[in-house]
Amino acid sequence: DTGVSQDPRHKITKRGQNVTFRCDPISEHNRLYWYRQTLGQGPEFLTYFQNEAQLEKSRLLSDRFSAERPKGSFSTLEIQRTEQGDSAMYLCASSLAQGAFNRFFGPGTRLTVL
Amino acid sequence: QKEVEQDPGPLSVPEGAIVSLNCTYSNSAFQYFMWYRQYSRKGPELLMYTYSSGNKEDGRFTAQVDKSSKYISLFIRDSQPSDSATYLCAMRSSDDKIIFGKGTRLHILP
Repeated sequence: DTGVSQDPRHKITKRGQNVTFRCDPISEHNRLYWYRQTLGQGPEFLTYFQNEAQLEKSRLLSDRFSAERPKGSFSTLEIQRTEQGDSAMYLCASSLAQGAFNRFFGPGTRLTVL
Repeated sequence: QKEVEQDPGPLSVPEGAIVSLNCTYSNSAFQYFMWYRQYSRKGPELLMYTYSSGNKEDGRFTAQVDKSSKYISLFIRDSQPSDSATYLCAMRSSDDKIIFGKGTRLHILP
């Protein structure tokens, strides 16, 4: 399968714990995006990378969130001191810079904070 | 007013019917208009996109954009149970920002 993959698919954690998610984009795509989707809502932009550079962060991305993309390949999204409001589906997408309007999404990581 | 408005449904129609899904938007800077389909427990996948006002057809799907009314539509002909999913409209501005609608849950009844 050459699509975008995400790991884990599901994560249940207790409030206050730290969690980390991983995204592996389509190999030739140099742009990588993180979105958050809550029930009954469309995906909301969190941040994106062009290669290893993080170019934009949404105001939704509080200080407890950090994302990295070392060497411009896979990316990780870490949430520190999780809160119940962080419960959501975290989607990763990748694209070629030239055709950036077409973003290929992974299956998402569903986070439940108890 | 939100930038993109989309009725969340659910919308239930019998198999074989024509489905009409719609979104309105407020930002005149939007240039690309897209429809994504999202099956349960999956990520969204791009179904169709259009750049300007008018119609674009792809098999049983037709995307329609009316920039003067800030209104976009997706029509599905001869709907199938496999079309049951959430359909998200999405719009991209010149600064590469994509804004998604809430999504409309569609159920095609066999």
